[in-house]
Amino acid sequence: EPEVTQTPSHQVTQMGQEVILRCVPISNHLYFYWYRQILGQKVEFLVSFYNNEISEKSEIFDDQFSVERPDGSNFTLKIRSTKLEDSAMYFCASFPPGQDEKLFFGSGTQLSVL
Amino acid sequence: KQEVTQIPAALSVPEGENLVLNCSFTDSAIYNLQWFRQDPGKGLTSLLLIQSSQREQTSGRLNASLDKSSGRSTLYIAASQPGDSATYLCASGTSYGKLTFGQGTILTVHP
Repeated sequence: EPEVTQTPSHQVTQMGQEVILRCVPISNHLYFYWYRQILGQKVEFLVSFYNNEISEKSEIFDDQFSVERPDGSNFTLKIRSTKLEDSAMYFCASFPPGQDEKLFFGSGTQLSVL
Repeated sequence: KQEVTQIPAALSVPEGENLVLNCSFTDSAIYNLQWFRQDPGKGLTSLLLIQSSQREQTSGRLNASLDKSSGRSTLYIAASQPGDSATYLCASGTSYGKLTFGQGTILTVHP
């Protein structure tokens, strides 16, 4: 079965630094997502991306966050100036065309902000 | 705005017991309902997906049901095993793939 690939699996950064989380969605999928899960909390929706633009974003997704699909294959989440509270597991996901489909998740990037 | 709630928050059972995990959602106009398993520090493993037109789905020892009118879904695990120990998440889905997750139920099956 095709997979969504996320790199790196773990990222440690200093507070205030920029970090880029990378994802390679499944090639024929149309919608792309970032979710995050703070330790012990719910998996939360951050942003969805469709037709090369943001289609929906949550209140969490403020000006510190941005997403790009620079080359038609990679899908990145950038955090400009990381805060301690950005420490979480970040999941990328993609959704195929057609009916009765499901979201495919990557294995996640664990971000630790020190 | 869709809200998803799961009870109980944690459950501990002896091996071999049948068990039920509960999920409720506030907006009955869901497109689908999905159950996931999550092991500590790991990603999300999809277990079962129920479309809004379906009442239940089965996979091995797992059976998930959906009652849109009451805003509820249940995950039934038969003959539980220690390897079933994990956090189980339910999520309400839209037609374009966006999911709203519950808090999860932490299941421990002891030998």
